Amino acid sequence: NFVLTQPHSVSESPGKTVTISCSRSSGSIASNFVQWYQQRPDSAPTLVIYDDNQRPSGVPDRFSASIDSSSNSASLTISGLTTEDEADYYCQSYDSRHVLFGGGTKLTVL
Amino acid sequence: QMQLQESGPGLVKPSETLSLTCTVSGSSITSGFYWGWIRQPPGKGLEWIGSISHSNTTYYNSSLKSRVTMSVDTSKNQFSLRVNFVTAADTAVYYCARDINIGRRIDPWGQGTLVTVSS
Repeated sequence: NFVLTQPHSVSESPGKTVTISCSRSSGSIASNFVQWYQQRPDSAPTLVIYDDNQRPSGVPDRFSASIDSSSNSASLTISGLTTEDEADYYCQSYDSRHVLFGGGTKLTVL
Repeated sequence: QMQLQESGPGLVKPSETLSLTCTVSGSSITSGFYWGWIRQPPGKGLEWIGSISHSNTTYYNSSLKSRVTMSVDTSKNQFSLRVNFVTAADTAVYYCARDINIGRRIDPWGQGTLVTVSS
């Protein structure tokens, strides 16, 4: 199985845009869809992106995502940051009936 | 809308068996998806434990496979997790969730339940 690597933390100011990366260690990032989850403190994770770049209903369009085959990575972009976006974000993918999560990125909005 | 709720003991002794149940409401467990367990040790990231279909087809994390058993009770709209021979390393918040086709989309999640392994 492959490993998904995320930066430990990122920070940005309210109103700005931040991008969180998720690098796949082996195999093509395009081979299996990537999902993104938001986990606020003391709460369960919630899905914010599925199938690389699709937003579930109810997720604002400030959240977007993409994959980049040249860097073999996925990215989550959040624009118009608010303090409500302060949370941990996890990328997730799968392979051969096995589910993998990235280590998570703590987003601080300050 | 669909909701999931974990239940089970919050404290388990080392070497014993951890048992949790997830009750699904707002949708039938036979609706054609998979149902998964994910755990999160305190202060750490998410780890997939495994997923099960309503017909009891199971897929487990290879790192836990020797100690994990999942089952489904369609009459109660519930699915369950058992982890044998637990150690302190199994202390975590355990989440149940709907898993669309083994990791294609994990949503929604239960609120999670903390299980502590300690004597």
